[in-house]
Amino acid sequence: AQSVTQLDSQVPVFEEAPVELRCNYSSSVSVYLFWYVQYPNQGLQLLLKYLSGSTLVKGINGFEAEFNKSQTSFHLRKPSVHISDTAEYFCAVSDLASGTYKYIFGTGTRLKVLA
Amino acid sequence: GAVVSQHPSRVICKSGTSVKIECRSLDFQATTMFWYRQFPKQSLMLMATSNEGSKATYEQGVEKDKFLINHASLTLSTLTVTSAHPEDSSFYICSARDVGAGGTEAFFGQGTRLTVV
Repeated sequence: AQSVTQLDSQVPVFEEAPVELRCNYSSSVSVYLFWYVQYPNQGLQLLLKYLSGSTLVKGINGFEAEFNKSQTSFHLRKPSVHISDTAEYFCAVSDLASGTYKYIFGTGTRLKVLA
Repeated sequence: GAVVSQHPSRVICKSGTSVKIECRSLDFQATTMFWYRQFPKQSLMLMATSNEGSKATYEQGVEKDKFLINHASLTLSTLTVTSAHPEDSSFYICSARDVGAGGTEAFFGQGTRLTVV
């Protein structure tokens, strides 16, 4: 079964510094990959997605992620974070082989941006 | 992107009562919807896959008699928490696939915070 690992449960970073949130998934022939952000007591907002094509994906709010098939990774990056980026970030995988398109989520990474 | 509306956003109910949560796809048809549960400071756990016109598929460990799912139309799925208890207090989120647009992405509702007292 597909699984998603977000190794860092919390990432503190100073404002305007770069950040990388890591995501690894278990191997599959083909997958769709997503990053979502969740603010307290709210639903999920899509940051970016990889479906096919270029392995470097750009999303909203200055975030980008790179799909690395050999390392089964999809790390999220931002060159300069803001206080407003403080939130919970979830990596998700949709396993095409299952045919259901259901999402498997990682455990989340809490990004805390410090002033 | 497509919009998924979830209602109510918050609900408080007494222990032993039932609560219904609605998930609507506003501008697309969704043959498949998904229900997730999220405990505080934890990830989203898939509870069940809701299929229009047929029975839902529940994930292992989810009580189908406690969490009743109905997907009677292409734009509406409901989750009913029956005989709710305090341990059912959680954040419930639905998502739906836009099959007409290829179905490669699911869109999420804003979630329902259920508190059982």
